[in-house]
Amino acid sequence: NAGVTQTPKFQVLKTGQSMTLQCAQDMNHNSMYWYRQDPGMGLRLIYYSASEGTTDKGEVPNGYNVSRLNKREFSLRLESAAPSQTSVYFCASSARDGRNEKLFFGSGTQLSVL
Amino acid sequence: GEDVEQSLFLSVREGDSSVINCTYTDSSSTYLYWYKQEPGAGLQLLTYIFSNMDMKQDQRLTVLLNKKDKHLSLRIADTQTGDSAIYFCAERSDSWGKLQFGAGTQVVVTP
Repeated sequence: NAGVTQTPKFQVLKTGQSMTLQCAQDMNHNSMYWYRQDPGMGLRLIYYSASEGTTDKGEVPNGYNVSRLNKREFSLRLESAAPSQTSVYFCASSARDGRNEKLFFGSGTQLSVL
Repeated sequence: GEDVEQSLFLSVREGDSSVINCTYTDSSSTYLYWYKQEPGAGLQLLTYIFSNMDMKQDQRLTVLLNKKDKHLSLRIADTQTGDSAIYFCAERSDSWGKLQFGAGTQVVVTP
């Protein structure tokens, strides 16, 4: 019953450090997403992957890279962290039925960049 | 993407009905969704409505859609303390093909 699993749950970085957020889903979904959540701004899409082997930019891709390693796993990398990247990051996968798309979310990674 | 707007805060007494409102701008919206986020957790899909429907009821939840005014609401009957959470409205449109989320409405249920 795992669903979408994200690691780590918390992380503190210094400006300029790099890190990778990991995400895996066990629901055999084709599409996966990375969002960031900031107070008063809702969820903003960073990158998404419509299927294994493809990735595309979302609304706020600058400063991030992604890898769709296989159908299950979709990682998000910060090459040189900046304080503006302090946020809560959510990974999601989706089940699509025609134009109806239901997202399933992980529990989030709280990232602080000092 | 297009805008999805919600009020940021709602306080309601236990046992009363809650109504959370949302407006959106994309006229090509096909599906509209309500997600719930409890503290320290990810978002969970509560319910959704197809754009050719006016209303959908699911136990204590009633979704109303006014497509002409691009207004969506979620009514929670007999609100309980467990309903305290942030509620996000989202729409999926043909123009973008992905979900656009509002900023979320924090609902606080008081005894």
